[in-house]
Amino acid sequence: DGGITQSPKYLFRKEGQNVTLSCEQNLNHDAMYWYRQDPGQGLRLIYYSQIVNDFQKGDIAEGYSVSREKKESFPLTVTSAQKNPTAFYLCASAPRDRGLNTEAFFGQGTRLTVV
Amino acid sequence: AQKITQTQPGMFVQEKEAVTLDCTYDTSDQSYGLFWYKQPSSGEMIFLIYQGSYDEQNATEGRYSLNFQKARKSANLVISASQLGDSAMYFCAMRFARYYSGGGADGLTFGKGTHLIIQP
Repeated sequence: DGGITQSPKYLFRKEGQNVTLSCEQNLNHDAMYWYRQDPGQGLRLIYYSQIVNDFQKGDIAEGYSVSREKKESFPLTVTSAQKNPTAFYLCASAPRDRGLNTEAFFGQGTRLTVV
Repeated sequence: AQKITQTQPGMFVQEKEAVTLDCTYDTSDQSYGLFWYKQPSSGEMIFLIYQGSYDEQNATEGRYSLNFQKARKSANLVISASQLGDSAMYFCAMRFARYYSGGGADGLTFGKGTHLIIQP
């Protein structure tokens, strides 16, 4: 079945360590996105990519990095520079150039906890 | 700045009753799109319904309808005949044309959500 796979579902990290969250899609979508969700908050955009080998910062990019070497994959690295990394992270993808009504498809998320 | 407000942090509703989830927005843009997503406890975001700012008819998708009042800048989600499986977080979101650069979620701004619990 087509969809977006995020792994792992739960991730624990020690303070000071970098950690990489995986996001893979088989929907043949050009655009991919990373969002962060905190309790009682909506989703905030971290990074997005509209095409392979290109990506742009979102609203809260500090302390995060991404790569887009393949169309299917958009991994997110949470670096030690991210001061408050404990959160729920959601990856999304969407086709390009389909208009304002284009919906985004989301993965099931990764819950990151810093211990 | 664009802003979306969902004033109901949580709601308890009896099964089979209709539910209205509020969403108001603040923008001076004329061209935008409004979305509602459902987030069950599993975590993924599920697209429910879309309304364009120039659409004259209110959007409907099965049991979901969108009560769009452009002059009042509100886009409330109505769920008819609620079911236990409707219990989830619900998010209102907007995409603004002047931030839209071809991607599916560029400029997508989310509200803080409403936690809906359907009681038997």
